Parts: sequence; structure tokens; C-alpha cells
Amino acid sequence: AQKVTQAQTEISVVEKEDVTLDCVYETRDTTYYLFWYKQPPSGELVFLIRRNSFDEQNEISGRYSWNFQKSTSSFNFTITASQVVDSAVYFCALSDAYWGANSKLTFGKGITLSVRP
Amino acid sequence: DAGVIQSPRHEVTEMGQEVTLRCKPISGHNSLFWYRQTMMRGLELLIYFNNNVPIDDSGMPEDRFSAKMPNASFSTLKIQPSEPRDSAVYFCASRRRGERGITDTQYFGPGTRLTVL
Repeated sequence: AQKVTQAQTEISVVEKEDVTLDCVYETRDTTYYLFWYKQPPSGELVFLIRRNSFDEQNEISGRYSWNFQKSTSSFNFTITASQVVDSAVYFCALSDAYWGANSKLTFGKGITLSVRP
Repeated sequence: DAGVIQSPRHEVTEMGQEVTLRCKPISGHNSLFWYRQTMMRGLELLIYFNNNVPIDDSGMPEDRFSAKMPNASFSTLKIQPSEPRDSAVYFCASRRRGERGITDTQYFGPGTRLTVL
């Protein structure tokens, strides 16, 4: 069975601090996709990144970076120099298949990040 | 390009009334997903369609819930009769068929906040 664990439920930081959001997953599949979504206070779910299980290279996009380690089944998300606009709930998700139209996502419970000015 | 469109954005109704939520997926996407989000249970997948055909409705809570996708550009989620415990945010998401059948990204609509009094 698929499982995504986001052990941190709430994190509070002061603006300009770096913050890392942890994600640990469980799957029996050898190939799969991992995702991060952001849910700001306005409520919509915004796609941030998709990473396949073949590629363990870290990815950086502006202040955002992702560290995928297959050996520890983790896909952690770091925000550098956090800003108030980063305040949101962040969800990590795992697809249950690499191929196929019938793949579904399993979501973690989410991490509420509050960035204080 | 327009994203996933949901209507209404907010719905307040009384227990026992019929509620219909609507979704227009992104043009060209062939998979559509309905989710429910509550504080207690997080994000739950209710049902999803591929090419307008329901594939997995195991997440539909009970017979009061039904979903249809009469064509590639429209889907409805109906609750009849509604109950206070149905109060939640309902999200619709769509996904295109990935290249070579690889799992692609789900993009979410803004959600419908349902309150059943």
C-alpha cells in the first residue's frame, strides 16, 4: 500500500529563515512519481514539482529546492530565505504507478508553514 | 490557457437538499478526479474518470453521492440528500495523458466550499 508521511504538522519561522519540509513515502513500486503541492490561504491547490523515481538529482527553482533520496524514501522541500507569501499548507504526494492512465495520487496530511514578518 | 473551472465556489444549503457541484477540466485532459478535503480526513479521492468513463469510485462515501461525466469538458458531483457531515471543500482535478503513457501531473481547480446546515 502507498503511504506518505509528513511528520511535521506546523512550522513557524521568521522571514528570511531557511525552512525544510520533510516527506517520507512508502511504496512497493520500483518506479513512481513524487509531487509537491502548495495550498495558500486562498484555498487552491497549486502544483509545484513532479519528480520521477529514476532521477535523484536535486532540483532548484529560485528559492525552492528539492532533495530526493531513494535510499531513505524521502523527498524533502527547502525554502531558502522564506517570505510571508510562502505561508501555506504544503502537501507531498506519491503516484501509485509510473505508467498508465489509472494511476492515482496518495497525499500526505500536509504541513502548515507560517512565515512571520 | 484556462485552468480547471469549478462552480459554484461557495454553496450553503440545508440538510436534505440536493447539491450539484460542477467541473470543467483543462482542455485536452482526459482524466478527471473529484476530491474532498476536511480537517479531520485531509484530502480524499472520491472518484475519477478516464475518457469520461468512471474508473474507481471506491472513495465515494455512500449512495447519496454520485458523479457523472457526460462529455470531455464537463463533470458533476451530486449529493442527494445532503447532510451536515458533507460540509467540506470539494476539488476537481484534471490530467492529460502523458507521453508514452507515463503518469502526468494533476492540476486542481479552486474548489467548492460546501456548507450543509
